[in-house]
Amino acid sequence: EVQLVESGGGLIQPGGSLRLSCAASGFTVSSNYMSWVRQAPGKGLEWVSVIYSGGSTYYADSVKGRFTISRDNSKNTLYLQMNSLRAEDTAVYYCARGQLVGGMDVWGQGTTVTVSS
Amino acid sequence: VIWMTQSPSLLSASTGDRVTISCRMSQGISSYLAWYQQKPGKAPELLIYAASTLQSGVPSRFSGSGSGTDFTLTISCLQSEDFATYYCQQYYSFPWTFGQGTKVEIK
Repeated sequence: EVQLVESGGGLIQPGGSLRLSCAASGFTVSSNYMSWVRQAPGKGLEWVSVIYSGGSTYYADSVKGRFTISRDNSKNTLYLQMNSLRAEDTAVYYCARGQLVGGMDVWGQGTTVTVSS
Repeated sequence: VIWMTQSPSLLSASTGDRVTISCRMSQGISSYLAWYQQKPGKAPELLIYAASTLQSGVPSRFSGSGSGTDFTLTISCLQSEDFATYYCQQYYSFPWTFGQGTKVEIK
């Protein structure tokens, strides 16, 4: 079964760091492009970052320089390293698989990040 | 940055209705547009990609149209399970962006 399972969320103080993980099963992370998308409480979806099969990465302006997307091919796992966290980073973070033909077709259940003192 | 205007933000409808949701871009994106459905507490689900291609497993009452700057999602005969929030998303250029969402509620 094709599946994504996120972990690593929690309560963190402003200025702190957190690393989210997204474990994939049923397909190979390195063969697809993979994204992180977040959703603040009661708000809409916001794209955060993407990593392509070739390793190229892109970020939303709101997280550029603070967040880093990466993957571990041996663990078939996607990561999001989040530094210098701010209150406005509070959200449910989803990882998603991208289709070559377009759109993100497989999503995890989400992990909640709360940035608060 | 490509700005997206999705409308309406709230749509009240009844089972069996035909509903349309619009997504307008600040610049042309060819057909690099996807539509998603999200139910409360759940992850989004892909409905349509490339503006008009139905994702495998999605009911045929969903359809997408448009290219360039104006796009539409149509639900031909609303079912009870379709009451949810819908988002458009452009993947033509970075940063990728989502529309603000349209909540389809029971009239």
